[in-house]
Amino acid sequence: AQTVTQSQPEMSVQEAETVTLSCTYDTSESDYYLFWYKQPPSRQMILVIRQEAYKQQNATENRFSVNFQKAAKSFSLKISDSQLGDAAMYFCAFTNRDDKIIFGKGTRLHILP
Amino acid sequence: EADIYQTPRYLVIGTGKKITLECSQTMGHDKMYWYQQDPGMELHLIHYSYGVNSTEKGDLSSESTVSRIRTEHFPLTLESARPSHTSQYLCASSVGTANSPLHFGNGTRLTVT
Repeated sequence: AQTVTQSQPEMSVQEAETVTLSCTYDTSESDYYLFWYKQPPSRQMILVIRQEAYKQQNATENRFSVNFQKAAKSFSLKISDSQLGDAAMYFCAFTNRDDKIIFGKGTRLHILP
Repeated sequence: EADIYQTPRYLVIGTGKKITLECSQTMGHDKMYWYQQDPGMELHLIHYSYGVNSTEKGDLSSESTVSRIRTEHFPLTLESARPSHTSQYLCASSVGTANSPLHFGNGTRLTVT
């Protein structure tokens, strides 16, 4: 069975600094997709970034990038130039061709002014 | 701006009452999901639908029921609310391909007294 593990329940970063949130997963599949979602306090959960497993190139969306290590089954999220608006719960998620979406338990990110 | 709408946003109700949480999306998405999430905690899938007249139970046992009579509408009903149902309920939809992200509503925060 597939699992997604986020080992950091909470993290803090100084504004304008860089922070990396970790995510590992377990699967026997070779074709799958990985996502990071952001859930700000009392606001809608939104997609931050996604990665197709067959792509070797790491996905990037402005200040957000991932470090996808397929062999290690690792999918970390790097946030550069952290801003106060980045404060949120971040969820790592996995899905494969069966279309079953599995979420990690989340990491709460605090931005220190 | 959300293309998936949940009402009500907040609901306080007494034990034993029947309630329906509404979820509608205007994107024509085939797949829709209901998640239960305690504040700041992980998401638990309680129901999902792959299209009209298709509904399935998720991983978390739930006393709720759902229906999918129209593509855009996926209501969740609790026949008899209990304090253990106090939680946040998130509705989501997706296009249907494995790499397509979930679009979430703002959630309904339910309190059963």
